[in-house]
Amino acid sequence: GENVEQHPSTLSVQEGDSAVIKCTYSDSASNYFPWYKQELGKRPQLIIDIRSNVGEKKDQRIAVTLNKTAKHFSLHITETQPEDSAVYFCAAFFGGANNLFFGTGTRLTVIP
Amino acid sequence: DAGITQSPRHKVTETGTPVTLRCHQTENHRYMYWYRQDPGHGLRLIHYSYGVKDTDKGEVSDGYSVSRSKTEDFLLTLESATSSQTSVYFCAITPGAQETQYFGPGTRLLVL
Repeated sequence: GENVEQHPSTLSVQEGDSAVIKCTYSDSASNYFPWYKQELGKRPQLIIDIRSNVGEKKDQRIAVTLNKTAKHFSLHITETQPEDSAVYFCAAFFGGANNLFFGTGTRLTVIP
Repeated sequence: DAGITQSPRHKVTETGTPVTLRCHQTENHRYMYWYRQDPGHGLRLIHYSYGVKDTDKGEVSDGYSVSRSKTEDFLLTLESATSSQTSVYFCAITPGAQETQYFGPGTRLLVL
């Protein structure tokens, strides 16, 4: 069945260091992979997404990479800042189910 | 915030009572979704709608029903609330490409 696995579940980094969050998905036909950031008590906010026709996408300090052969994608945050502290969710669109499936989240803490 | 509102924002109810949550959007988006968010599970799809009176089940639809009689409103009903339905409920919409989703502010539901 459809499944998205996300690791690690928690991640602590020093301010200025990089953070990497990894996800794997089960459906090789998936073609859309968004990342969401959720601050405490707030809604999930879309921060970046990638489609299967590209291998990497960048937006300032955030980048996402996709390896379709291995069925995994990753979020990279460089020069981390305290305001990057939040829970991050990956997701994959499964065409058979016609919907997004989400990972279980990574709680990122940036230590000043 | 994609013009999405949810009501109520907080609700406390008792086991066995019916509960209806409302999602309202102002921009005539075709697709609307209901998710629940629980610790350790991420976001899980309950039901979604692809037009007026057109709905389908998601991953965790048991115990929930939905209705969409107008484009702008998508209602989620718990016919007889149980403690296992204590959760945070998010509505989402898709503004264009079917895969990209934006979330409402959420409803925190406590079933005693």
